[in-house]
Amino acid sequence: KNEVEQSPQNLTAQEGEFITINCSYSVGISALHWLQQHPGGGIVSLFMLSSGKKKHGRLIATINIQEKHSSLHITASHPRDSAVYICAAYGGSQGNLIFGKGTKLSVKP
Amino acid sequence: DAGVIQSPRHEVTEMGQEVTLRCKPISGHNSLFWYRQTMMRGLELLIYFNNNVPIDDSGMPEDRFSAKMPNASFSTLKIQPSEPRDSAVYFCASSVDRRTYNEQFFGPGTRLTVL
Repeated sequence: KNEVEQSPQNLTAQEGEFITINCSYSVGISALHWLQQHPGGGIVSLFMLSSGKKKHGRLIATINIQEKHSSLHITASHPRDSAVYICAAYGGSQGNLIFGKGTKLSVKP
Repeated sequence: DAGVIQSPRHEVTEMGQEVTLRCKPISGHNSLFWYRQTMMRGLELLIYFNNNVPIDDSGMPEDRFSAKMPNASFSTLKIQPSEPRDSAVYFCASSVDRRTYNEQFFGPGTRLTVL
């Protein structure tokens, strides 16, 4: 069983829709990364959080350490949000990043 | 700052050849990470350095892989001999300090194809 699970694996939305991507983890963590990977392949860090909520523009990330769950929300989605969103947990004995498989988001105009 | 710099961006080589991937971390960052991304396995940590010292290389697939960080501004990942199953995108990332779980900044990646 993967230590970091994301859902859904694939998501198609219409422009303007509110989007939620979920991440559950089984390891004890101190912080969690949300990353965005565009079709060109580059990886961009969106958030790193260890408690509560963070907001940047139309993106919101929340984490519940007790429930071992994090969500990434996109409000008023746009085709340029189309990308793979990857959840990565800082955990394990070495404190390394453990990656989820990613959620492929496609926003249609 | 130019961000994390990787070279080459693309590499095509034949099985059995030696491949060297290069990374320049962001100035002032003292942690450096090498990752591999494949369709089957997603992103995987290969090795990371803190203050130029390898801390954990348990993710390195086998003895054919080796990594060095001779100074704070340069690291290499070498595969010798290369095999077709090594084909993947290799990312380098850096952060200020691994111990405090700082945000990692990724390079553009090197797409390796081994024929």
